[in-house]
Amino acid sequence: EAGVTQSPRYAVLQEGQAVSFWCDPISGHDTLYWYQQPRDQGPQLLVYFRDEAVIDNSQLPSDRFSAVRPKGTNSTLKIQSAKQGDTATYLCASSLGDRFSNERLFFGHGTKLSVL
Amino acid sequence: AQKVTQTQTSISVMEKTTVTMDCVYETQDSSYFLFWYKQTASGEIVFLIRQDSYKKENATVGHYSLNFQKPKSSIGLIITATQIEDSAVYFCAMREGRPQGGRALIFGTGTTVSVSP
Repeated sequence: EAGVTQSPRYAVLQEGQAVSFWCDPISGHDTLYWYQQPRDQGPQLLVYFRDEAVIDNSQLPSDRFSAVRPKGTNSTLKIQSAKQGDTATYLCASSLGDRFSNERLFFGHGTKLSVL
Repeated sequence: AQKVTQTQTSISVMEKTTVTMDCVYETQDSSYFLFWYKQTASGEIVFLIRQDSYKKENATVGHYSLNFQKPKSSIGLIITATQIEDSAVYFCAMREGRPQGGRALIFGTGTTVSVSP
C-alpha cells in the first residue's frame, strides 16, 4: 500500500515569493491534515479536511496561506508571499476518518522550506 | 483548550537499557486519546502506541509501553531493551474525543533519545 506522498521534498525561496505544496493521501483516507513543523519543535496544525470540507483552519494564517482539497483526495497548500518565519517542514498526514478520534495518522516525508 | 507538554528535551541511554520519557496533558473533555509518535533522523514520523482515556490498563506494543496516570494527567512512554535504532525524537500527542471528531491531533515539543552502544 502506498503511503502519503508529498512534493516537492525541498523548496528554497526569497521572501515575497510564492510556493505550493502537494499531498496525495493514502487511498481511502477521508481525513487530511497539514502541519507545520519549525526546527526543533513539534508539528503544529495548520488546517485539516474531511473529504473536501475544511474542518479546522483556525491556525492557518489566512492572509498568506491557503489550502484546498477539491475532490476530497489530493490537497494543495499554498503560501502566497513567503516570510523568513515560514521556514519549516510542512507535513501532510491522512487518517481513515476522524469521526473515531482514536485513529492514527499516517505522515508523508514532508517538504522542507527555507525562506531566505 | 488542550495542551501537551514534554519537559525533557533530550535523554541519553546505553543500548539494551530502559528509557522513560514524560508527558503531561491538559483537556476539558472527559474522553480523549493519547498517542506517541517517533520521528527518525530522516524526518519520517510513525505512530507507536495509543492510550484511550477510558481504559485503565496501560497499553503495550512490542517493547513500548505506557504509564498512564489519569489523576496526574500524565502519559509516560517506556522503551525497554533499547536498540540503536530507537534513537529518534519522540512526540506525545492528544486528541479530544468529540463524537463527531472536529479536533485534530495536538503535539508536544518532543524528546530526543540517543542510544549509545
